[in-house]
Amino acid sequence: EIVMTQSPATLSVSPGERATLSCRASQSVSSNLAWYQQKPGQAPRLLIYGASTRATGIPARFSGSGSGTEFTLTISSLHSEDFAVYYCQQFNNWPPRYTFGQGTKLEIK
Amino acid sequence: QVQLQESGPGLVKPSETLSLTCTVSGGSISSYYWSWIRQPPGKGLEWIGYIYYSGSTNYNPSLKSRVTISIDTSKNQFSLNLSSVTAPDTAVYYCAAIVSTDDAFDIWGQGTMVTVSS
Repeated sequence: EIVMTQSPATLSVSPGERATLSCRASQSVSSNLAWYQQKPGQAPRLLIYGASTRATGIPARFSGSGSGTEFTLTISSLHSEDFAVYYCQQFNNWPPRYTFGQGTKLEIK
Repeated sequence: QVQLQESGPGLVKPSETLSLTCTVSGGSISSYYWSWIRQPPGKGLEWIGYIYYSGSTNYNPSLKSRVTISIDTSKNQFSLNLSSVTAPDTAVYYCAAIVSTDDAFDIWGQGTMVTVSS
């Protein structure tokens, strides 16, 4: 089973600053990596898929990078609405499995 | 635009079966992969399994012995049955779909809270 580890667990950043979130896979997942944003009481929202492709309607300040086992989500200039919990998720082709990381809480500094 | 809506009991007794239904609107269920994902209070996300419109399924190994996902194309619905529930099965249950990506959930229902308690 592929284990996804996100770091840090909590990240404190000021509005307008840059935020960098990390996700590591226990074995290579190629580029089968997605990022989600979740706000309290809401369903997760897809931000990035294929490691670096922004989903429909996602602002350009969100970017994803990486391949293999190391991935990064960068938010270039934080807006107030960006403070939330972020999850990474991998897809393994065989056997077909989806696994989420434990989440990074992005909070206002 | 495909939309999803979960429905089902909010309270289930221990040892009984949790049953939820997801209704698909704005598109046909006869395409795509349809999944169930859950989130215990204050915790992370766990994929439960998926069903393809053809009826083929794939389940999380940790839940496989207790999970059944089925599809009713005539009603544009798919369903989750989780048997022998215990308190750790208490969670928000989401239905989700992969529509415009290869392997990421781009469509989500709003989620429904299910509590396991006597």
